[in-house]
Amino acid sequence: DQQVKQNSPSLSVQEGRISILNCDYTNSMFDYFLWYKKYPAEGPTFLISISSIKDKNEDGRFTVFLNKSAKHLSLHIVPSQPGDSAVYFCAASSEVSGTYKYIFGTGTRLKVLA
Amino acid sequence: DVKVTQSSRYLVKRTGEKVFLECVQDMDHENMFWYRQDPGLGLRLIYFSYDVKMKEKGDIPEGYSVSREKKERFSLILESASTNQTSMYLCASSLDRYYEQYFGPGTRLTVT
Repeated sequence: DQQVKQNSPSLSVQEGRISILNCDYTNSMFDYFLWYKKYPAEGPTFLISISSIKDKNEDGRFTVFLNKSAKHLSLHIVPSQPGDSAVYFCAASSEVSGTYKYIFGTGTRLKVLA
Repeated sequence: DVKVTQSSRYLVKRTGEKVFLECVQDMDHENMFWYRQDPGLGLRLIYFSYDVKMKEKGDIPEGYSVSREKKERFSLILESASTNQTSMYLCASSLDRYYEQYFGPGTRLTVT
């Protein structure tokens, strides 16, 4: 049972345009969400996060939107650059027995075309 | 500069061997995690630890065990490696639930 879903395995975007990566979740107990970027042969690196008390968080070219009623979040990258080409994972967090864990989506491979 | 290091980048082992994957973090983080990454499946949590000598099963703990004797070190053990454990293994640490996880570079394990 995949609690965090990224239904688009890949996405291609022209340089300078907007990239929109989507993520859906099923567990209403998730209350903190993160996006990571992963290059080949490297570990994921943190991009941006959002708490469930907000509906938007912005950091430079990256903006994350959260729609709690739809259990949907999206990452917008504007403008897209060739260096943004990577696999993007969304992750959701909930408390578990006094501690916590993250559930990751399956990833979306973004290719930004020069 | 925060750092999570993993003992090997690439490892080849035979079926039935006992395999140790080591992870060390230098950030004094309480929480450490082991994931495996497989194509089309994303990152799946194997085990995590929120304190020294404490461990919790993740979503796919079968065939694995862990050890956390010191705060900075979290080891993943494959008691008897099997071919379906061929994967990329990623270690991570975090300060707190509302802070990001820092990942190591990963160990690509091949079991033949």
